Amino acid sequence: EVQLVQSGTEVKKAGESLKISCKASGYSFTSYWIGWVRQMSGKGLEWMGMMYPDDSETRYSPSFQGQVTISADMFISTTYLQWSSLKASDTAMYYCVRAVAAIPDAFEIWGQGTMVTVSS
Amino acid sequence: EIVLTQSPVTLSVSPGERATLSCRANQSLSNNLAWYQQKPGQAPRLLIYGATTRATGIPGRFSSGGSGTEFTLTISSLQSEDLAVYYCQQYNTWPQTFGRGTKLEIK
Repeated sequence: EVQLVQSGTEVKKAGESLKISCKASGYSFTSYWIGWVRQMSGKGLEWMGMMYPDDSETRYSPSFQGQVTISADMFISTTYLQWSSLKASDTAMYYCVRAVAAIPDAFEIWGQGTMVTVSS
Repeated sequence: EIVLTQSPVTLSVSPGERATLSCRANQSLSNNLAWYQQKPGQAPRLLIYGATTRATGIPGRFSSGGSGTEFTLTISSLQSEDLAVYYCQQYNTWPQTFGRGTKLEIK
């Protein structure tokens, strides 16, 4: 079974760093684009960025460029979303997603979400 | 960045009736558009990709059409379980973007 399993809920303070993870299983990790989607409470979906693990090509939304870092460890089939200095406005649910095919594509597989709460 | 405008913002439909949701882009997407359903408290689920292809396991009452800048999602016979927010997403051009969603209510 293809699945993405994300790390658990995080409660942090503004200014702290954070790295959340998403472990993939059931498919060839390096063959599909994988990315992150933010959803603030009661709001819509926001595309943050994506990476192709095979060559590490990474694309970011201008809204998130420089604010977060997407990375991957192909040896453990895991992708990461990282902040160096959290803000209260980073409080949201973050979903890990995988494309349908080996191209930048629709998101067929979704992780269960990681809730991040940042207090000021 | 491509902007996707979804309409209506909220749609109220009786069970058994048809629901039609719209997604308009400010640039051509070819057929690189997807639709997602998000039920309360759940992660989104892919319904449609390539503008018209149903994802695995999606019931036949969900259909879609369009190309270029105008797209529609149709639910032919609404069921109570279809209560959700529906989002469109374009993956034609970086950065990929989502519409703001249509909330589907059951009358």
